[in-house]
Amino acid sequence: DGGITQSPKYLFRKEGQNVTLSCEQNLNHDAMYWYRQDPGQGLRLIYYSQIVNDFQKGDIAEGYSVSREKKESFPLTVTSAQKNPTAFYLCASSIERRPTLFGQGTRLTVV
Amino acid sequence: SQQGEEDPQALSIQEGENATMNCSYKTSINNLQWYRQNSGRGLVHLILIRSNEREKHSGRLRVTLDTSKKSSSLLITASRAADTASYFCATDPRFSFQGGSEKLVFGKGTKLTVNP
Repeated sequence: DGGITQSPKYLFRKEGQNVTLSCEQNLNHDAMYWYRQDPGQGLRLIYYSQIVNDFQKGDIAEGYSVSREKKESFPLTVTSAQKNPTAFYLCASSIERRPTLFGQGTRLTVV
Repeated sequence: SQQGEEDPQALSIQEGENATMNCSYKTSINNLQWYRQNSGRGLVHLILIRSNEREKHSGRLRVTLDTSKKSSSLLITASRAADTASYFCATDPRFSFQGGSEKLVFGKGTKLTVNP
């Protein structure tokens, strides 16, 4: 079955560490996105990518980095520069004129 | 920046009743999408309605769009306990002739509780 796979489901980060969240899709979608969700809030866009080897900043890109070396993969790195990284992270993908679909999310906690 | 604003923030009803959630937005849109999110899970896509459409149905779901008022509503008929979730509207603020990816803008959601 086609879908979007995020891993891990839960991730714990120590202060000052960089961590990478994985997102893989087998839907042949061109565009991929990373959103952040804080408790009781909607989703805010971190980064998005329309094609391989190209990506753009969203509304809250500071402290995050991404890469898009393959169409299927769009990993997100939460760097030590992100001062408040504890949140629920959602990856999504889309193709022109079709609904945007989401993965099951990764919950990141700073310990 | 959040474009969509859902109303009410929370809604509690009995099984079998209808649930109506509203969404208002600020700028012109290409389309509007409704999603459901169960606690701690990802978002499940419910319905996409384009800017030139006024109403869409999917099973027990009915979505309306009024672009003159910049508002949309989601109606769930004959609700069930399994409908308990948060519901989000998300807008794609591109004009219809623009290509490129959808950078959806989300509201804060309506938390729906359906009591058995």
